Amino acid sequence: EDQVTQSPEALRLQEGESSSLNCSYTVSGLRGLFWYRQDPGKGPEFLFTLYSAGEEKEKERLKATLTKKESFLHITAPKPEDSATYLCAAIRQGGSEKLVFGKGTKLTVNP
Amino acid sequence: SAVISQKPSRDICQRGTSLTIQCQVDSQVTMMFWYRQQPGQSLTLIATANQGSEATYESGFVIDKFPISRPNLTFSTLTVSNMSPEDSSIYLCSVRPPGGYGYTFGSGTRLTVV
Repeated sequence: EDQVTQSPEALRLQEGESSSLNCSYTVSGLRGLFWYRQDPGKGPEFLFTLYSAGEEKEKERLKATLTKKESFLHITAPKPEDSATYLCAAIRQGGSEKLVFGKGTKLTVNP
Repeated sequence: SAVISQKPSRDICQRGTSLTIQCQVDSQVTMMFWYRQQPGQSLTLIATANQGSEATYESGFVIDKFPISRPNLTFSTLTVSNMSPEDSSIYLCSVRPPGGYGYTFGSGTRLTVV
């Protein structure tokens, strides 16, 4: 069964303190690995899709990387507005459009 | 990317009743997806809705409990039937925009069953 595990469950950072979030996946034939940001009371907001090991994508202070077993979301010099829950999801090869999500990492950035 | 309007945003319902959630997209899409987000749990796919055909349900979800309609390429509804407190959750609509690969989500419906 496909599985996605995120760690840590929660992370507190000081403003400017860089760190990384981890997403490990067990998916039979990965087609894509997704990162989302979710703010309280809102739906997930799409950030990145990664397709193959070695691929990297960046957006402002965020950089996502992918290996054959896991993905990292690196946050450089975070600001309080980066506080949110970050979700990782995987989709397998084949006809299915099913996203398998992890439980998320709740990030809090203190000023 | 597609913009999704989901209604209602929240509701409190009595057990044994049903609630219908609406999802409207600003562009035509082939597939629409319904997810559930239970407290402390990951988002879980309930079903995939294609226009003109029966919805496809994931393991653990059945049509009698979660009937879905898909009358056209921009609209879908999910009904949560004969509700119990265990159905208290956030329900989310999602689409894959044409030409895109980042699935877009609505803002969700927060359901509380009392």
